[in-house]
Amino acid sequence: DAGITQSPRHKVTETGTPVTLRCHQTENHRYMYWYRQDPGHGLRLIHYSYGVKDTDKGEVSDGYSVSRSKTEDFLLTLESATSSQTSVYFCAIRAGTGPGNTIYFGEGSWLTVV
Amino acid sequence: AQSVTQLGSHVSVSEGALVLLRCNYSSSVPPYLFWYVQYPNQGLQLLLKYTTGATLVKGINGFEAEFKKSETSFHLTKPSAHMSDAAEYFCAVSDSFSNFGNEKLTFGTGTRLTIIP
Repeated sequence: DAGITQSPRHKVTETGTPVTLRCHQTENHRYMYWYRQDPGHGLRLIHYSYGVKDTDKGEVSDGYSVSRSKTEDFLLTLESATSSQTSVYFCAIRAGTGPGNTIYFGEGSWLTVV
Repeated sequence: AQSVTQLGSHVSVSEGALVLLRCNYSSSVPPYLFWYVQYPNQGLQLLLKYTTGATLVKGINGFEAEFKKSETSFHLTKPSAHMSDAAEYFCAVSDSFSNFGNEKLTFGTGTRLTIIP
């Protein structure tokens, strides 16, 4: 357990509405990530953060924005939800710096856009 | 750019039989390699990883994997399958020479392991 909490865990929303998912960590890790998981695609990186107010895009960032105003919180916002954004979203943290350090995942947020 | 290919989206083995899940990677620099397991409705849990040193890596729950540079492979094995091994398994690669702070994991598409009683 790397002290990662995602909220909400389950959400149903309507097309066109904004949605924000929250990731909270308790261990002061510098690097945080948002992935989405879809059948046949594995996990794909949406955005990541390497410090407060320092974020960058991943491979599937269109339609998403992120913010990190505090070390412990990394927010993912779907600006105008679409059905293609129905997915399971995972927050993750890197324990330590460097590419060999383990990435730990939260329990996931199931989002359905109707 | 780096990538991971997992051969076989579904693998079924009998309880007590050998488990072999295949992973091949592509990376322009020496890779760091990971195997994660995901049980239903849960997050991903690290099974094992290879960074440097010994190419045979042992992980949790009796799993191990061997890094073979010449074959660009990192296959996951377990000598004797148990019912509790039923889950989805993901192989992932990280670029060991990427810019400090920008290291990211690239995942394969996953292999669902079914254990036959």
